[in-house]
Amino acid sequence: GAGVSQSPSNKVTEKGKDVELRCDPISGHTALYWYRQSLGQGLEFLIYFQGNSAPDKSGLPSDRFSAERTGGSVSTLTIQRTQQEDSAVYLCASSPGGVARETQYFGPGTRLLVL
Amino acid sequence: AQSVTQLDSQVPVFEEAPVELRCNYSSSVSVYLFWYVQYPNQGLQLLLKYLSGSTLVESINGFEAEFNKSQTSFHLRKPSVHISDTAEYFCAVSPIQGAQKLVFGQGTRLTINP
Repeated sequence: GAGVSQSPSNKVTEKGKDVELRCDPISGHTALYWYRQSLGQGLEFLIYFQGNSAPDKSGLPSDRFSAERTGGSVSTLTIQRTQQEDSAVYLCASSPGGVARETQYFGPGTRLLVL
Repeated sequence: AQSVTQLDSQVPVFEEAPVELRCNYSSSVSVYLFWYVQYPNQGLQLLLKYLSGSTLVESINGFEAEFNKSQTSFHLRKPSVHISDTAEYFCAVSPIQGAQKLVFGQGTRLTINP
């Protein structure tokens, strides 16, 4: 079946511009996660959505980062006024019910380069 | 809060040799433990996980990991590696209760030489 998909696969932007990254989770999965993979910081949790509950935003590094999930499915991660330190691979994952024991299924990632 | 330490950033081994990738964690609460693998030019995928019960867990491709609560470790082993095992391996934990998120180690790059 279809896995987690992300778009675009690569994004090059100029410092100060806004970017939007999209994630389509596996159909039927109620939980959706965003992570960031960068050379200096490794893999870091950013934000977690579970059903209609308020998202856990505890991992967002600054108020330039925001995310929404529409209709319990597709999610968009927005970075405003991008900085060079935002360059990283942004990974999306989903799981069936958002329970800790579940496997998280990862997408291929969006590689963001801020010039 | 949780933290995960993978003691080796790179591990080179010869084909058919045994390998151990080390992982230690710190947590004030009970956690589940995971190993994820990232093959070249592919996304992260689950290799194996420890939830409860037997402390030794196995994957379908010959890897195994043992949960040691007293040493807070979850080392990954394989008795004989193949070229196809070349990848980056990430150890991760998730609290059993509370925040639903994975906390990852820095990763270990396993390189298999013929």
